[in-house]
Amino acid sequence: GESVGLHLPTLSVQEGDNSIINCAYSNSASDYFIWYKQESGKGPQFIIDIRSNMDKRQGQRVTVLLNKTVKHLSLQIAATQPGDSAVYFCAENIQGAQKLVFGQGTRLTINP
Amino acid sequence: ETGVTQSPTHLIKTRGQQVTLRCSSQSGHNTVSWYQQALGQGPQFIFQYYREEENGRGNFPPRFSGLQFPNYSSELNVNALELDDSALYLCASSFGGTNYEQYFGPGTRLTVT
Repeated sequence: GESVGLHLPTLSVQEGDNSIINCAYSNSASDYFIWYKQESGKGPQFIIDIRSNMDKRQGQRVTVLLNKTVKHLSLQIAATQPGDSAVYFCAENIQGAQKLVFGQGTRLTINP
Repeated sequence: ETGVTQSPTHLIKTRGQQVTLRCSSQSGHNTVSWYQQALGQGPQFIFQYYREEENGRGNFPPRFSGLQFPNYSSELNVNALELDDSALYLCASSFGGTNYEQYFGPGTRLTVT
C-alpha cells in the first residue's frame, strides 16, 4: 500500500554537527516531496520541497536529496542548533491523487 | 508563521456530539486540505476543497464532511463523535487544487470524552 516510512524513529546529534534524516517512499508515481518540521503543540512547518525531476535542492542550512532509483529521500541540516529539535516528517504527493502521504516522523534531539 | 489560521485551538466534546472546526487559508491560496493527526503519528489526509467543492478524499467515513466558502475559508464537520476522533485536526492551504507548497495552520486539539 501507499506509505512513506522513515529509517529511524529518533535521532540524537551534537550541537554544531550535521544531521541527516532519511525517508523511504513506496510509490513510484510520487512526483513531489516536502519536508516538514513539527514542534510540540504546533502545526507542521514547511522546510523545503523537491520535485521528482530534481535530485537535490538547497535552502538555508538544509539540503534535500532525492534518489528515485531506490525511492529514498533525505534531509540534511547543517550545523544543527538547539532550535532544530522537533519531529521531522517527509510527505509525498502521489500524482493524480489529491493528498500528501506522511510518514510517522523522526524525532531529532540536540545534545549540548 | 504561516497565514493559515484555525479555530478553536482546543475543544472538548462528548461522544455522540457534533463539532465544527474552522480554517482560513493563507492569502493567495484557494485550496484547503484537512488532516487528522493522532498522537505520535503523521497527519492523515481527510479531504481537500478547491473551488468550493470536494477535490479528493481519504479513508474517512461520511460523518466527516466539509465546506469551502467563496473567500476560500473552510469548515470541517464531524458528526456522531467517537472516542477515536480525539486528535489534532490540521488545516493546510495551497493553490490551484494542488499540494505544492502546502502550508499548515496551528491545528485544533479535539478531545472526545
